[in-house]
Amino acid sequence: GQNIDQPTEMTATEGAIVQINCTYQTSGFNGLFWYQQHAGEAPTFLSYNVLDGLEEKGRFSSFLSRSKGYSYLLLKELQMKDSASYLCAVRIYNKLIFGAGTRLAVHP
Amino acid sequence: DAGVIQSPRHEVTEMGQEVTLRCKPISGHNSLFWYRQTMMRGLELLIYFNNNVPIDDSGMPEDRFSAKMPNASFSTLKIQPSEPRDSAVYFCASREPGAALGEKLFFGSGTQLSVL
Repeated sequence: GQNIDQPTEMTATEGAIVQINCTYQTSGFNGLFWYQQHAGEAPTFLSYNVLDGLEEKGRFSSFLSRSKGYSYLLLKELQMKDSASYLCAVRIYNKLIFGAGTRLAVHP
Repeated sequence: DAGVIQSPRHEVTEMGQEVTLRCKPISGHNSLFWYRQTMMRGLELLIYFNNNVPIDDSGMPEDRFSAKMPNASFSTLKIQPSEPRDSAVYFCASREPGAALGEKLFFGSGTQLSVL
């Protein structure tokens, strides 16, 4: 079976750094994706990892350890507009399976 | 490009009625995915097509659900008969062809379905 776990909710302060963790147990792993979803909107692509290590893209970075089945999304210099759900997704063969998402609330 | 276009944006219907959701993928994309999102179950993959052919429908909840893709620019998801537990946001997403594994999905705005 497939299992993707991430915390349900997190809170953080504007300007701070937050790390959102994701663990997975799947077969046929072909990459790990992070998507952002604002309330009432569609998910939008943030980052992608297929090899172990850190991928940096502006204020957002994503890390992957395939041997541990573990990834995290790091958000720096948090802004109020970063309040959203962050979805961890694993690509299995040709399809993308999503975790339940982490709701992040950024407060002043 | 207009992105992935879904219609209707909102649908309210009564239990037992037929519901048809529509999706137009981004031109040139050859993979299309139907997802359902609820608070309880998150974003679930229902079915996906590659080059208009259904590849994996293992996520379709039951026989009341059916999906078609008659051509590269149009897909439908039909629920007949609908039930209150089908209430959810239904997203369509498309992906461009390519050998690289990092192709991202582009999502439509979704259809908010309420079955009373």
